[in-house]
Amino acid sequence: DGGITQSPKYLFRKEGQNVTLSCEQNLNHDAMYWYRQDPGQGLRLIYYSQIVNDFQKGDIAEGYSVSREKKESFPLTVTSAQKNPTAFYLCASRAWAGGREQFFGPGTRLTVL
Amino acid sequence: AQKITQTQPGMFVQEKEAVTLDCTYDTSDPSYGLFWYKQPSSGEMIFLIYQGSYDQQNATEGRYSLNFQKARKSANLVISASQLGDSAMYFCAMREGTGNQFYFGTGTSLTVIP
Repeated sequence: DGGITQSPKYLFRKEGQNVTLSCEQNLNHDAMYWYRQDPGQGLRLIYYSQIVNDFQKGDIAEGYSVSREKKESFPLTVTSAQKNPTAFYLCASRAWAGGREQFFGPGTRLTVL
Repeated sequence: AQKITQTQPGMFVQEKEAVTLDCTYDTSDPSYGLFWYKQPSSGEMIFLIYQGSYDQQNATEGRYSLNFQKARKSANLVISASQLGDSAMYFCAMREGTGNQFYFGTGTSLTVIP
């Protein structure tokens, strides 16, 4: 089945630690996105990537980093510089040529202890 | 200014009734796309329906239809014959032109009452 996987579903980290969230897609999509969702708010864009080895900052990139070494994978690292990292993180992808809607993964809920 | 505004934080509807979820948008680009997503308690975002700015007809997908009023910049989602499984958060989103970024509203929580 084609789709997007995110792991783990729940993640706990101690304050001051970096943590990497995984996002993998087998839809052959070119574009991939990371969003952060907080209670009562919509989705806010952290980073997006149109092609391998290229990515752009979104509205709230501070304290986050990404890489795009393979078309299928777009991991997000939440660094210790992110002041309030507890949130729900969603990964999405979209076909570049003729792609319309985004397809989303199941999300990772990160809690900083 | 907010690109997407959803003014209804929470809505209730009786099972089998229709419900309208409001969405207004703000853009100066003549070419744009409007999207509605459903987010159940599990968290995953499910695409429901799309409307392009140049589409002449209102979009429909099964029990979902989009009431597109271009002059008023509104793109309301209509769910007909509500089911208990429709209880979820609903998000309106927009993409401008050939841009890469999608703008999301704050969402509406829909509860279907048996």
